[in-house]
Amino acid sequence: GIQVEQSPPDLILQEGANSTLRCNFSDSVNNLQWFHQNPWGQLINLFYIPSGTKQNGRLSATTVATERYSLLYISSSQTTDSGVYFCAASNNAGNMLTFGGGTRLMVKP
Amino acid sequence: KAGVTQTPRYLIKTRGQQVTLSCSPISGHRSVSWYQQTPGQGLQFLFEYFSETQRNKGNFPGRFSGRQFSNSRSEMNVSTLELGDSALYLCASSLGQAEQYFGPGTRLTVT
Repeated sequence: GIQVEQSPPDLILQEGANSTLRCNFSDSVNNLQWFHQNPWGQLINLFYIPSGTKQNGRLSATTVATERYSLLYISSSQTTDSGVYFCAASNNAGNMLTFGGGTRLMVKP
Repeated sequence: KAGVTQTPRYLIKTRGQQVTLSCSPISGHRSVSWYQQTPGQGLQFLFEYFSETQRNKGNFPGRFSGRQFSNSRSEMNVSTLELGDSALYLCASSLGQAEQYFGPGTRLTVT
């Protein structure tokens, strides 16, 4: 099956800084999603982005399908951005997402 | 539109018992997938149901099973619970093969 790797595993930022999270995947994908897991465990949808670029406020994402990677950009980070960010991908018929190991982000005031 | 709901939210069981978790998808969504999250193994796919049929299955023992009803609600069952089954169980729904939306999860503790 598809392999998904995220980097860095941990990231500490000062409030106001920008950051880039990376997701590498081993095969072509028909689904790629970025999530933010809140302290209670729920996965919050950030982007559905099997290819191309999308922006939502201070967050944006780019997937370069031919190079098999996706990037999540966080600009002007806030303490509320803290948490774990997951990338997940699928390349099969159906909805079997394979998750990366996550990036744990801490934004300090 | 209401999101994905899961019940119960928290559960404590004893080794050897069985447990049933429930998931109600977003209205109109026919695909329901289940995932297990543990500190050691991360997020792992359990199985997916679409129109009452299992469409995909992850690499879990036969103690883990599921089903989907005609209204798209899904249940998963774990029999003969082991300590290692302690985890956050997440359910997701989607329209066909598309973006998945997750519920709040059921946190299972096996003692």
